[in-house]
Amino acid sequence: NAGVTQTPKFRVLKTGQSMTLLCAQDMNHEYMYWYRQDPGMGLRLIHYSVGEGTTAKGEVPDGYNVSRLKKQNFLLGLESAAPSQTSVYFCASSRGHQEAFFGQGTRLTVV
Amino acid sequence: KQEVTQIPAALSVPEGENLVLNCSFTDSAIYNLQWFRQDPGKGLTSLLLIQSSQREQTSGRLNASLDKSSGRSTLYIAASQPGDSATYLCAVRPPYGNNRLAFGKGNQVVVIP
Repeated sequence: NAGVTQTPKFRVLKTGQSMTLLCAQDMNHEYMYWYRQDPGMGLRLIHYSVGEGTTAKGEVPDGYNVSRLKKQNFLLGLESAAPSQTSVYFCASSRGHQEAFFGQGTRLTVV
Repeated sequence: KQEVTQIPAALSVPEGENLVLNCSFTDSAIYNLQWFRQDPGKGLTSLLLIQSSQREQTSGRLNASLDKSSGRSTLYIAASQPGDSATYLCAVRPPYGNNRLAFGKGNQVVVIP
């Protein structure tokens, strides 16, 4: 049982480049989330989804887009990366409002 | 807006002592509360989930209590070990809106051998 898997684990981007982070869960969870974690700021919600084909904005959505075409996958896109998007990104999933499970994170550096 | 606070931000204890970590939240209307552990450079591992109707949950050496009326939860770790060194995060889920988790910034714990 893999749980929540994030790809890639590390990435370095140049300013203005684009990339997509992939999150996959094998627990048949309806809810999926993308967070970023920065020193002194804690975990902040970027976007989330309560089901296949639906997405919604979190606290810090600017500069990011998401898609949930399949129930098990939640993609986070950066169209034009900025140094302010240097962070550790975490994906999570939950069965409704119950226990949330997190992936191992993607460490992104934008230079 | 729900605010979650964890004080102190960092603490050290000698091996064998019991660890007591506190989490406070401003809005007592919660759906549930979850404690996580995070090791350096790693993801969050779920430790315990307490539903709003529960007063405590136990798993091995871990015990978490919940006092909704005072907006507090406490995580107890009995007989601490060096392997318990990590950051512990508390998160609450409200019963309204989109039920999104609100996180504290964590307690960074070092258990000294």
